[in-house]
Amino acid sequence: DAKTTQPPSMDCAEGRAANLPCNHSTISGNEYVYWYRQIHSQGPQYIIHGLKNNETNEMASLIITEDRKSSTLILPHATLRDTAVYYCIVRALNSGGYQKVTFGTGTKLQVIP
Amino acid sequence: DAMVIQNPRYQVTQFGKPVTLSCSQTLNHNVMYWYQQKSSQAPKLLFHYYDKDFNNEADTPDNFQSRRPNTSFCFLDIRSPGLGDAAMYLCATSRVGLAGVQETQYFGPGTRLLVL
Repeated sequence: DAKTTQPPSMDCAEGRAANLPCNHSTISGNEYVYWYRQIHSQGPQYIIHGLKNNETNEMASLIITEDRKSSTLILPHATLRDTAVYYCIVRALNSGGYQKVTFGTGTKLQVIP
Repeated sequence: DAMVIQNPRYQVTQFGKPVTLSCSQTLNHNVMYWYQQKSSQAPKLLFHYYDKDFNNEADTPDNFQSRRPNTSFCFLDIRSPGLGDAAMYLCATSRVGLAGVQETQYFGPGTRLLVL
């Protein structure tokens, strides 16, 4: 699976949009971009994923550049409960039934009151 | 509704005393995973079951074993816990569809293991 690069930490004011970048310059054509977050002492929580089109769900939006070498997770109105470590993961889809999820170091997002 | 359940949430064991962590799922997913997460580190995959087939990661110590008696349950056995095995242990599940494509992984809340 392709490696990802994320800033180690970011701050965001409560109520503002949080934009979390991820670089995945070696991504392959069949690899999806996934985002998870992990609130302190909890298991990782799935947020969103995409292949090449922008995606939106009730939690966040995912913007993937046209060359697919980077993406941005957007939390439109950050709350204190969004304080967590956010992991960007690139996953290949294959027919072997096994897909290793390799977590990088993630971005620690601190939402400030 | 809980989908991936891990019990207990906190487990204390003694150095060298075998311990078992449990995971159950209500998703009917055919793949179950165990991850180890040490403090301030990212989760690290230990092994997974694809149906009944066990797949060990190359660097997983022999001290760690797993059992999956049925689709819903999976256990992590640590035969002789050392101080370095103190960590959060995460269970995850996913489904492999008819086309062999693996879908999203869902994680449980984790069990924090303390070794005295």
